[in-house]
Amino acid sequence: EVQLVESGGGFVQPGETLRLSCVGSGFIFSSYAMTWVRQAPGKGLEWVSSSSATGGTTYYAESVEGRFTLSRDYSKNTVYLQMSGLRDEDTAVYYCARGPGNSPRGYFQHWGHGTLVTVSA
Amino acid sequence: AIQMTQSPSSLSASVGDRVTITCRASQDIRSDLSWYQHKPGTAPKLLIYAASTLQSGVPSRFSGSGSGTEFTLTISSLQPEDFTTYYCLQDSRFPRTFGGGTKVEI
Repeated sequence: EVQLVESGGGFVQPGETLRLSCVGSGFIFSSYAMTWVRQAPGKGLEWVSSSSATGGTTYYAESVEGRFTLSRDYSKNTVYLQMSGLRDEDTAVYYCARGPGNSPRGYFQHWGHGTLVTVSA
Repeated sequence: AIQMTQSPSSLSASVGDRVTITCRASQDIRSDLSWYQHKPGTAPKLLIYAASTLQSGVPSRFSGSGSGTEFTLTISSLQPEDFTTYYCLQDSRFPRTFGGGTKVEI
């Protein structure tokens, strides 16, 4: 069974840094693209970043480009989202998702339950 | 970026009703569209991919259709567990974009 478990959320002040983690199990981590999606309070889903299976290609939403970095640790079956220069509008539940294959294109087949990030002074 | 316009934003229905949700893309996305169900506090769930392919394990009362710029998600007979929020997502190009969501209420 595919499982994705996020962690690392919390309460931070504007400008601070936070790193989210998502551990995958039940599949060959190195064979699948991974994605982060977020949902701000009372809002809809927003795509944040996607990485190919190899990590060689990564895409970012304009709203986080230059502040957020997606990385992968294949020895730990973990994908990270390093978030710096956090803003109030980054407050959201962050979900990781797995694609159907190695390309970052395509739908999001499996999702985690999310981790809450709150940015406030 | 490709804009995804989802309608309606909310709808009221009853158990057993047939419900249709629409997503319109601002440009041609072929059949690169997926649909998700999202219940509060839970992981979003893939329902449909490639516009009309039912994800394994999803009840057959869910169906998708469309191509190009107009797509629909249909629930043929609403069940109590279907009262929640649905989103479309264009899988065609980056940045990936979701529709604004449709809340299905009793």
